[in-house]
Amino acid sequence: DIQLTQSPSFLSASVGDRVTITCRASQGISSYLAWYQQKPGKAPKLLIYAASTLQSGVPSRFSGSGSGTEFTLTISSLQPEDFATYYCQQLNSYPPGFGPGTKVDIK
Amino acid sequence: QVQLQESGPGLVKPSQTLSLTCTVSGGSISSGGYYWSWIRQHPGKGLEWIGYIYYSGSTYYNPSLKSRVTISVDTSKNQFSLKLSSVTAADTAVYYCARGYCSGGSCYSFPPSNDYWGQGTLVTVSS
Repeated sequence: DIQLTQSPSFLSASVGDRVTITCRASQGISSYLAWYQQKPGKAPKLLIYAASTLQSGVPSRFSGSGSGTEFTLTISSLQPEDFATYYCQQLNSYPPGFGPGTKVDIK
Repeated sequence: QVQLQESGPGLVKPSQTLSLTCTVSGGSISSGGYYWSWIRQHPGKGLEWIGYIYYSGSTYYNPSLKSRVTISVDTSKNQFSLKLSSVTAADTAVYYCARGYCSGGSCYSFPPSNDYWGQGTLVTVSS
């Protein structure tokens, strides 16, 4: 199975900050990567698929980039509603595993 | 707007079978193009993909659970279901149903991303 790691596992940031989360795959996965946002007690929400394609309805402050083994999720200006845990998921091969998550907290 | 809703017992005894149903509204499972998935999350932990079913009945399961998992579909009720046999405390988790989609249309070669999710239901395995 392809393994995903995320860094950092936790970050503390302020409203308005630019935030970058990294996801690394144990082997190349081309651009087959999705990003999800999860708030406490809620289901995950799809933000980005195909590494950089914004899901319909997701604010443009979210962006994704990368290919191969290294990917980033960037929030250009953190908003109060963005404090959550973010997961990457590889969609290159079965089973489609998730990264361990990055929790974004309020500084 | 597609909506999914999980239902089923919140408590299952060890060695028994966990059974959950997902009811889909706002869209028809039979219309095709989507892969109806189950994903779980252990308390305070990350996400684990369980498997999916297509409206035709074809399935794909996580190899780590394959020997215990059955996913079925009832298109007449617009529902799909999960059965997980021989459960242990390690199967205690929040179980989500979700709609899977592959941009190329078919998820034969590449797994789907999940764009609509149910709210999740906590299943506790305990005697």
